[in-house]
Amino acid sequence: DAKTTQPNSMESNEEEPVHLPCNHSTISGTDYIHWYRQLPSQGPEYVIHGLTSNVNNRMASLAIAEDRKSSTLILHRATLRDAAVYYCIRLNYKLSFGAGTTVTVRA
Amino acid sequence: EAGVAQSPRYKIIEKRQSVAFWCNPISGHATLYWYQQILGQGPKLLIQFQNNGVVDDSQLPKDRFSAERLKGVDSTLKIQPAKLEDSAVYLCASSLKAGENTEAFFGQGTRLTVV
Repeated sequence: DAKTTQPNSMESNEEEPVHLPCNHSTISGTDYIHWYRQLPSQGPEYVIHGLTSNVNNRMASLAIAEDRKSSTLILHRATLRDAAVYYCIRLNYKLSFGAGTTVTVRA
Repeated sequence: EAGVAQSPRYKIIEKRQSVAFWCNPISGHATLYWYQQILGQGPKLLIQFQNNGVVDDSQLPKDRFSAERLKGVDSTLKIQPAKLEDSAVYLCASSLKAGENTEAFFGQGTRLTVV
């Protein structure tokens, strides 16, 4: 019951930016938006989170729409190690995952 | 900082047998999660603890699955009896607290095969 919508898959070329969209049109005012990713044969790992303002960290940037009904995770320069499933989560107190977006990076 | 520890890493059992998984969260983390991840799907939250109390277990099949968190630290997840459809990776995660501004850390998981 993740209540977010993401594309099933996206492809990118190495060293090009990747923009991963997420729709969370029923988000409440206190829900944070979290992103996790899962590399093959590993547990998920935290990427970034935000509430209203855009956020940057060493891994990625998170752009949140002004109405908060959608957000975009931006990987500035994709590498082969960024190939993973990326999950967008609308977080209240439960950390619930959806199906995510499978990102493929071409060399 | 030590991560979330899970054991065993792999387990193969026959249907109708019992199995238990163990999780040791990061020290000081009050919130502990158990997930079931079937191949090709996202992790499904089975149960969430806050210290040694259950916050949510709405997706835990309580007729066969049980979980406990002793003294608010380690946790065990048990399946009794196992079915073929229980074949999955079982992930444990922990965070300082539940809620919006905390990052969860995941273990490597236990891969269960029921034959």
